[in-house]
Amino acid sequence: AQSVTQLDSQVPVFEEAPVELRCNYSSSVSVYLFWYVQYPNQGLQLLLKYLSGSTLVKGINGFEAEFNKSQTSFHLRKPSVHISDTAEYFCAVSDRSGGGADGLTFGKGTHLIIQP
Amino acid sequence: DAGVTQSPTHLIKTRGQQVTLRCSPKSGHDTVSWYQQALGQGPQFIFQYYEEEERQRGNFPDRFSGHQFPNYSSELNVNALLLGDSALYLCASSRDRAYEQYFGPGTRLTVT
Repeated sequence: AQSVTQLDSQVPVFEEAPVELRCNYSSSVSVYLFWYVQYPNQGLQLLLKYLSGSTLVKGINGFEAEFNKSQTSFHLRKPSVHISDTAEYFCAVSDRSGGGADGLTFGKGTHLIIQP
Repeated sequence: DAGVTQSPTHLIKTRGQQVTLRCSPKSGHDTVSWYQQALGQGPQFIFQYYEEEERQRGNFPDRFSGHQFPNYSSELNVNALLLGDSALYLCASSRDRAYEQYFGPGTRLTVT
């Protein structure tokens, strides 16, 4: 079984400032890691994923995340946020043994609030 | 190219009733997963359908059942509705064994 902890329920940031959204996971097996974004009244959109290889992963909209196996973390970062980045962000994992077909386990989400 | 579509958008039901939610996957996708997202929470995996069979199931009671049709569209059925079933129900589609799941906008179910 896996679990995902998003350490901050809400993160306020000034526009053009950098941001980091924290994610830690627990699993007895190897996992794939994902970050999704959810804008108000919409479904989820994939920002980026870590499958293997380089631990620094780049995604859409200028976001990147770093996988740290020893700390079981997958923190999301952006060097300069824009007002349009205001949304709910979810970290998720899936079991590698499913070959990418498994259902996702999500964290509770972090609400990113961009202040002008 | 249409993405994942879900119907209806909103639904209000009474405790004890039954409900059916529908999902059409993105073109070219053959796998459909359903998730329940309670207010202020992350989505929780209900089950996944592939080749018209339930391939994987999360920790949900048997009141939650589903179906996948030959055209890959899917239905989620919930029997004997409880107040706690009020949530946003998300459908996600993917190609088999592909890592990226594409989510629909969801169906907001309110149980009164």
